Amino acid sequence: AQSVTQLGSHVSVSEGALVLLRCNYSSSVPPYLFWYVQYPNQGLQLLLKYTTGATLVKGINGFEAEFKKSETSFHLTKPSAHMSDAAEYFCAVTLVKNQGGKLIFGQGTELSVKP
Amino acid sequence: NAGVMQNPRHLVRRRGQEARLRCSPMKGHSHVYWYRQLPEEGLKFMVYLQKENIIDESGMPKERFSAEFPKEGPSILRIQQVVRGDSAAYFCASSPSTANTEAFFGQGTRLTVV
Repeated sequence: AQSVTQLGSHVSVSEGALVLLRCNYSSSVPPYLFWYVQYPNQGLQLLLKYTTGATLVKGINGFEAEFKKSETSFHLTKPSAHMSDAAEYFCAVTLVKNQGGKLIFGQGTELSVKP
Repeated sequence: NAGVMQNPRHLVRRRGQEARLRCSPMKGHSHVYWYRQLPEEGLKFMVYLQKENIIDESGMPKERFSAEFPKEGPSILRIQQVVRGDSAAYFCASSPSTANTEAFFGQGTRLTVV
């Protein structure tokens, strides 16, 4: 069965510092992987996704993630944090390949950015 | 092109009442997914619908919850005889086809049961 684990429910960084949000998955088939961001009282916005091909995926707002099959990981990074990056971040895996909207989500990581 | 529209944004119901949550998918999208987000938790899949069909309801509670996506009009998530444990944010997502790997989310309906 597929599952997603996000290490660290809260991460705090200083403005300008590296952002690293960790995500590990388990899947019996090659996964499709996603990172979503949720601002307070808002819906989810897709940051980036991995389906096939290049394992380093670039997304919006300067974020990127690398699919590492050997480590079953899909960590999200951003070289320099901005105050506007403060939000909740969710890693997700597609449960069924032909049902693109049916996802298993991790518990989420709340990112705080200090001035 | 408007995004996924959910209404109401906030809904308060007393225990035992019915809650009806609406979701209008993006234009051209015929696939709708409902998720529930309990406080301090991630989103949990509830149900997947196409027009007039329930494709997968494996995440729906067996009692009191139902969903529909009629030929005309929005998708409806209905919760009968609500209890305090139903208090949560309910999100709808839509996609244009099964082959599409991206679902677009609405802003959610926050249900409070008092």
